[in-house]
Amino acid sequence: SQKIEQNSEALNIQEGKTATLTCNYTNYSPAYLQWYRQDPGRGPVFLLLIRENEKEKRKERLKVTFDTTLKQSLFHITASQPADSATYLCAQGGATNKLIFGTGTLLAVQP
Amino acid sequence: NAGVTQTPKFRVLKTGQSMTLLCAQDMNHEYMYWYRQDPGMGLRLIHYSVGEGTTAKGEVPDGYNVSRLKKQNFLLGLESAAPSQTSVYFCASSQARIRGNEKLFFGSGTQLSVL
Repeated sequence: SQKIEQNSEALNIQEGKTATLTCNYTNYSPAYLQWYRQDPGRGPVFLLLIRENEKEKRKERLKVTFDTTLKQSLFHITASQPADSATYLCAQGGATNKLIFGTGTLLAVQP
Repeated sequence: NAGVTQTPKFRVLKTGQSMTLLCAQDMNHEYMYWYRQDPGMGLRLIHYSVGEGTTAKGEVPDGYNVSRLKKQNFLLGLESAAPSQTSVYFCASSQARIRGNEKLFFGSGTQLSVL
């Protein structure tokens, strides 16, 4: 079955540094990967989508890469701010009408 | 523009009780979904709907029923609640069929506790 894995350990970084989160997938080669942000007590909010033929996608301070050889996507936040603290979810498109979500990685940006 | 609205936000049930969660979207989206989110498990799809009057099973459908009588509403029912159904429930919608390239819009969630 399709599986998507994210580092379950929280990532703590200093304000101003670049945060890098990892998403690995197995058993399936998705055509797309999506990244969402989730704040405590709130629903996930869509951030970025990257296609398999796109090696990199950018949106303001966010950058996502897609490496089909490594079966991995990296999510970067440059010049991180305390307001970036949240849980970030990776999701892959499945063969049916659903997205497969990872468990998310909690990012804490210290001032 | 409210987006996706879920009611209620919190609910406590006793084992065996029934309840219905309501999801409403005002974006004229065709597709709607119910997920549950548990610690360490991620978001898991319960049921989904590809249009008014249609429903389909997701990854963890047992113990739940759904209905989509109107395009804008998607109801999730628990006929006989069990402690294993204690979770946070999220409704989501999308404009078109998920092939991985259609983003989901989520509601703010319902925290359900079954004692």
